[in-house]
Amino acid sequence: RKEVEQDPGPFNVPEGATVAFNCTYSNSASQSFFWYRQDCRKEPKLLMSVYSSGNEDGRFTAQLNRASQYISLLIRDSKLSDSATYLCVVNMYGGSQGNLIFGKGTKLSVKP
Amino acid sequence: NAGVTQTPKFRVLKTGQSMTLLCAQDMNHEYMYWYRQDPGMGLRLIHYSVGEGTTAKGEVPDGYNVSRLKKQNFLLGLESAAPSQTSVYFCASSSPKLNRLNTGELFFGEGSRLTVL
Repeated sequence: RKEVEQDPGPFNVPEGATVAFNCTYSNSASQSFFWYRQDCRKEPKLLMSVYSSGNEDGRFTAQLNRASQYISLLIRDSKLSDSATYLCVVNMYGGSQGNLIFGKGTKLSVKP
Repeated sequence: NAGVTQTPKFRVLKTGQSMTLLCAQDMNHEYMYWYRQDPGMGLRLIHYSVGEGTTAKGEVPDGYNVSRLKKQNFLLGLESAAPSQTSVYFCASSSPKLNRLNTGELFFGEGSRLTVL
């Protein structure tokens, strides 16, 4: 089983749609979780951290399910500008930042 | 706001040539990293550094060397380039203070596209 797995997509959705991405991780002892956004031919940027109780930032909601070892990202009222690749990132073993594991990303395309 | 700056942005090498990628950050971050990103592979850590004068191997260190002589700079060297090293290379930095807050935010440079023929 790969360490961090994501559905590569692409997810093609119309403007205004709600879309959800899931990410599974292999190490049950993983300590911290994040979603990054990467635009085409650009660098990744932090979108949001994922907390145990779930957290929301505007149209974006992130949730963690430790029992099932997955995290999710929900985007409501999709905008054209949301088109990007979304990277799931897990601090797999804690401690040093050298333990951040990136998923391969899920591509989202929002159409007019 | 320069943040993390990588040079060069693009480079074409012949097999066997050597080169150095330079990463500079102006945020006084302790940690710096070099990643490579390949289609279908995601970001993979090559080497990282938790402070001036210290480096450590990541997931895919073979064929690369690094140095952190100054806190603000992290150099990635290819001694003898191979076609398998054709990739987009990203440098990133972060702060231990951010780690304790668990934000996990890495600040990335814009990337360096390397082609080895």
